[in-house]
Amino acid sequence: KAGVTQTPRYLIKTRGQQVTLSCSPISGHRSVSWYQQTPGQGLQFLFEYFSETQRNKGNFPGRFSGRQFSNSRSEMNVSTLELGDSALYLCASSLDLDEQFFGPGTRLTVL
Amino acid sequence: GENVEQHPSTLSVQEGDSAVIKCTYSDSASNYFPWYKQELGKRPQLIIDIRSNVGEKKDQRIAVTLNKTAKHFSLHITETQPEDSAVYFCAHLGSGGSNYKLTFGKGTLLTVNP
Repeated sequence: KAGVTQTPRYLIKTRGQQVTLSCSPISGHRSVSWYQQTPGQGLQFLFEYFSETQRNKGNFPGRFSGRQFSNSRSEMNVSTLELGDSALYLCASSLDLDEQFFGPGTRLTVL
Repeated sequence: GENVEQHPSTLSVQEGDSAVIKCTYSDSASNYFPWYKQELGKRPQLIIDIRSNVGEKKDQRIAVTLNKTAKHFSLHITETQPEDSAVYFCAHLGSGGSNYKLTFGKGTLLTVNP
């Protein structure tokens, strides 16, 4: 089976811009979770989608949003970028939240 | 309660020694506890997990123990090798509602010195 893929792998944006990241899960996986990883903060949960429905959301401002399509592919969007949004954004897919498999991540740099 | 406390934050051992990383959680209804290994510049990878109906699980040099009463679980690596050097994350799956998500500890940087 092909693994979880994320595009793009690297992204440089300036403050105030918006960005969309994409995640393609393992075939057959209906759950996609998104995490923000920064040094010292570990993996912070953004949100999780299952069969196109957001089941849970972490403690991030409304500038962070996401969606999931009928083929389980997911996107997350960050609007009005801030310097503090610079991070590695990881998505993970699973059948139903257990045994999550991570993608390679998108490294976002906000200048 | 969904927090996970992970200790230590850094751990340095000599090759061949054992390493132990401990995590405590607060959601008493949690029933799934995975451990992830993240090598530098790579994605986290699941190395072992345990469910609440067992107290210990072993896979070659890696073992995980779970004490549901005390709400803590631990990763044990025996006969460490330099390739075990990485950041290790514990996590637990909350019970339901707003807790139904994987919550991760902040990670332990393990360095195995040759």
